[in-house]
Amino acid sequence: DAGVIQSPRHEVTEMGQEVTLRCKPISGHDYLFWYRQTMMRGLELLIYFNNNVPIDDSGMPEDRFSAKMPNASFSTLKIQPSEPRDSAVYFCASSLSPGGNSPLHFGNGTRLTVT
Amino acid sequence: AQKITQTQPGMFVQEKEAVTLDCTYDTSDPSYGLFWYKQPSSGEMIFLIYQGSYDQQNATEGRYSLNFQKARKSANLVISASQLGDSAMYFCAMRANSGYSTLTFGKGTMLLVSP
Repeated sequence: DAGVIQSPRHEVTEMGQEVTLRCKPISGHDYLFWYRQTMMRGLELLIYFNNNVPIDDSGMPEDRFSAKMPNASFSTLKIQPSEPRDSAVYFCASSLSPGGNSPLHFGNGTRLTVT
Repeated sequence: AQKITQTQPGMFVQEKEAVTLDCTYDTSDPSYGLFWYKQPSSGEMIFLIYQGSYDQQNATEGRYSLNFQKARKSANLVISASQLGDSAMYFCAMRANSGYSTLTFGKGTMLLVSP
């Protein structure tokens, strides 16, 4: 089975530009998560979905960030306009259930650099 | 609220020796799960092992075992017979088994295995 697929792997953009990160979760996983990883703050949960519905977006830093999940096999995280402080690795993860021994399965991440 | 503390920023171990990575946690939930992830230099997040709060025995997965001490709220990862490929960042994480709870990560411990 294919794991969580993220694209692009690397993104370099200039401040003010729109950035769209993409994620395809593992088939059958009803939960999808977007995390951000930085040296200073570690791994932070931005938002997560259950059955394509956003459940908790309290981790989204600003209105510049938005996430959608139009169907069970695709999600996007958009930053508009991007700023240098958005530079980080963005991970998408999916899981079968919200609790118990069901781990999160992570994609390989998108390394975003905003200049 | 949940909190994970990993007090060791870095650890060194010689090949073939065992190493323990520390993790303490804080939660008011009676039922929860503890997870360990490995992040090699290539960046992906790899699930290693899971321990449930009501599990009677410590979890084991190959060379990985979890030293779970519930009263002390600690869930240390033990890697036996270290290999060069074990050099990576290791993250402890926990999730309550209530409602829509999400995975909270510690800051991580960098493990370096020397020949």
